[in-house]
Amino acid sequence: QKEVEQNSGPLSVPEGAIASLNCTYSDRGSQSFFWYRQYSGKSPELIMSIYSNGDKEDGRFTAQLNKASQYVSLLIRDSQPSDSATYLCAVNRQGAQKLVFGQGTRLTINP
Amino acid sequence: DAGVTQSPTHLIKTRGQQVTLRCSPKSGHDTVSWYQQALGQGPQFIFQYYEEEERQRGNFPDRFSGHQFPNYSSELNVNALLLGDSALYLCATGWGPTYEQYFGPGTRLTVT
Repeated sequence: QKEVEQNSGPLSVPEGAIASLNCTYSDRGSQSFFWYRQYSGKSPELIMSIYSNGDKEDGRFTAQLNKASQYVSLLIRDSQPSDSATYLCAVNRQGAQKLVFGQGTRLTINP
Repeated sequence: DAGVTQSPTHLIKTRGQQVTLRCSPKSGHDTVSWYQQALGQGPQFIFQYYEEEERQRGNFPDRFSGHQFPNYSSELNVNALLLGDSALYLCATGWGPTYEQYFGPGTRLTVT
């Protein structure tokens, strides 16, 4: 079982709709959770971090965390073509320094 | 305020050679982590440096080594290069207990 799992996609969403990206993790000691956006040929860019159960909103982005279900998600409202990218979920265990990444979900927003 | 910088941008090496990659952290950051990203995969943790010491290491062979300097910048060295070492090498820096890490632009290494 992979430590962090994401559906590799591609996920295709019409412009203006809500894109929903999901991630599960296996280590119950995980403490910090992050979403990175990576455009083709570029490096990952941190877009959201979440540390406690519930929702965290930042502009058009909402991160959701459910530690009991070991599940974290990212919602993108009013999707734009510029949101087309690979979205990486990353998890950090308490006391550890490394981020463990999923393989990423490729998202395409169709005009 | 400059973000995380890395050099060089691209590099082509031959099997068996050695390579050194460099990273300068974002202002105010004191930890430097290195990751390897193969095509189509998420980044894999190589190691992290803090206070000039290796604080944690991932599942990479001893051919991968690093160093952190007093100004917090860092180097990644890879010896005896293999074809499988071809990847995007990413430096990520951070500060404090939040564990948020910010990536540099990366170095694309091609081993022929």
